[in-house]
Amino acid sequence: DGGITQSPKYLFRKEGQNVTLSCEQNLNHDAMYWYRQDPGQGLRLIYYSQIVNDFQKGDIAEGYSVSREKKESFPLTVTSAQKNPTAFYLCASSIGPSRSNEQFFGPGTRLTVL
Amino acid sequence: GDSVTQMEGPVTLSEEAFLTINCTYTATGYPSLFWYVQYPGEGLQLLLKATKADDKGSNKGFEATYRKETTSFHLEKGSVQVSDSAVYFCALSNAGNNRKLIWGLGTSLAVNP
Repeated sequence: DGGITQSPKYLFRKEGQNVTLSCEQNLNHDAMYWYRQDPGQGLRLIYYSQIVNDFQKGDIAEGYSVSREKKESFPLTVTSAQKNPTAFYLCASSIGPSRSNEQFFGPGTRLTVL
Repeated sequence: GDSVTQMEGPVTLSEEAFLTINCTYTATGYPSLFWYVQYPGEGLQLLLKATKADDKGSNKGFEATYRKETTSFHLEKGSVQVSDSAVYFCALSNAGNNRKLIWGLGTSLAVNP
């Protein structure tokens, strides 16, 4: 089955530690995205990538970093510089710049920083 | 810039009631419009979409019509079920935004038996 995998579903880290969230897709999509969701709030775009080896900052990139070395993978690192990292993180992908740009989502990773 | 405004929740309905969740947008040109649904603890799923004016998207009994004259894309369902309890997000995609999705804040729906 084609889809997007995020692992782990729950992640706990101590304050001051960097942590990397995994996102893999087998949909052969060119574009991938990372969002952050906080309780009662909408989705906020962290980073996105429209092609391998290229990515752009979204609306709240500070304290985060990404890489896009392979088409199917787009890991997100939450660094110690992120002031409030506890949140639900969602990865998405889309076929690329198209008329509709429909995005497909993974199941999410809930990060808790203790 | 482009924006999406959804009615605030939570919305609480009894089973078999009629549902409307309002969504209006501000955008230049001709955006595509989407409704996504998020069940508790899960990622988002595309519910329906419309890519041009007067298009009607429909899925699982939900419908929404792209109204350019009123810049709206309201979500409707004739008879809700308990299993429809979720958060619903309206979004738009526009060439001017490099095809990124612009999101509403979401509307929480609770359906009671």
